[in-house]
Amino acid sequence: NAGVMQNPRHLVRRRGQEARLRCSPMKGHSHVYWYRQLPEEGLKFMVYLQKENIIDESGMPKERFSAEFPKEGPSILRIQQVVRGDSAAYFCASSPSAASYEQYFGPGTRLTVT
Amino acid sequence: AQSVTQLGSHVSVSEGALVLLRCNYSSSVPPYLFWYVQYPNQGLQLLLKYTSAATLVKGINGFEAEFKKSETSFHLTKPSAHMSDAAEYFCAVITNNAGNMLTFGGGTRLMVKP
Repeated sequence: NAGVMQNPRHLVRRRGQEARLRCSPMKGHSHVYWYRQLPEEGLKFMVYLQKENIIDESGMPKERFSAEFPKEGPSILRIQQVVRGDSAAYFCASSPSAASYEQYFGPGTRLTVT
Repeated sequence: AQSVTQLGSHVSVSEGALVLLRCNYSSSVPPYLFWYVQYPNQGLQLLLKYTSAATLVKGINGFEAEFKKSETSFHLTKPSAHMSDAAEYFCAVITNNAGNMLTFGGGTRLMVKP
């Protein structure tokens, strides 16, 4: 059973470009969470999605960041007009249901903004 | 609001010695508690979880943790450290009244000396 997949594993973008991070949850999981790990900071929740719905986006920056989890295909975290402060590791986690508190993490995407 | 504090951002032990990583939480409602391990440039792997069943929880790789409500603690222990235990460890909490987001502590980097 394949785990949570994230791609790309490493992404380099210049300031002002767009970054798209993809996450495929574990088979049978319909709940996806995105977390960000900034240098010298801990892991912070960003957004919680179910298929076609954003459940909780209280951790998302108000501008430039968006997330989706379409009916078909992976979940996408999009960062528009990236700035150096966006450089971080972005982790996706999935769970099978809202009642399951166990989240399984992917390997992460390390974004570097030059 | 829920929060997690990990005492000691760095812990160093000798191989074969006891490992003790401290975690205290703050929550107004019964929490679900987790310990995750992160190896360099990898995602987070669930070590163990407390979900209101037995207060002493056994996890993978010989780790265990005890939930102590009176002390609001969930410390992680392992009787005998192995070189392969060197990693960063994160304590995390979920509470029913805060959605399904994990709130993480700042992490503790465990170093194991030969």
